[in-house]
Amino acid sequence: QVQLVQSGAEVKKPGTSVKVSCKASGYTFTDSYMHWVRQAPGQGLEWMGWINPNSGGTNYAQKFQGRVTMTRDTSISTAFMEVSRLTSDDTAVYYCAARSGTYPGAFDMWGQGTMVTVSS
Amino acid sequence: SYELTQPPSVSVSPGQTARITCSGDPLPKQFAYWYQQKPGQAPVMVIYKDTERPSGIPERFSGSSSGTTVTLTISGVQAEDEADYYCQSVDSSGPYVVFGGGTKLTVL
Repeated sequence: QVQLVQSGAEVKKPGTSVKVSCKASGYTFTDSYMHWVRQAPGQGLEWMGWINPNSGGTNYAQKFQGRVTMTRDTSISTAFMEVSRLTSDDTAVYYCAARSGTYPGAFDMWGQGTMVTVSS
Repeated sequence: SYELTQPPSVSVSPGQTARITCSGDPLPKQFAYWYQQKPGQAPVMVIYKDTERPSGIPERFSGSSSGTTVTLTISGVQAEDEADYYCQSVDSSGPYVVFGGGTKLTVL
């Protein structure tokens, strides 16, 4: 079945970087853009951007431009999202999400989420 | 990018009808999507393209659209429907994905 499996929880110090992975299975990885969405504790969903796994092209939300890098490795059907210069405001659950195409435009595939805690 | 506005909370008794609205200027031109999120879980899509319900989602969930507002309606609310609900659309200028602030549905 279709699955997005993310890497485990991370604890990072302010000013450092974190890289989260999202491994896709059950569908053709290059057929669907991979999006990243984060959710701070008790807050709503915040879209961060997407990567086209086929070309490697990216589109980041303005808020994250210059601080977020999305990459992919097609040989292992895995997308990566790195956030640099971390602050406490980056403490959040980070999700990868994609569209299977079954329901046009909808994010019907989600990873389980990766908790990133930024603390000194 | 633009904003999607949702009420922070909605409360209903079991068996009643819950209506959650989402407002935004581009909604007449862009489809809206609705997601349900329960504590500690990833979001689950419950409505796509304003009014379509995916397989596996109960019939009591429905969506509608009028002008700059889309509405998620849950008829005959059950205790298991207590969750946060988010609307989502697209800002074609980016293109960017936009989420509403979320609505907490409480079943009294």
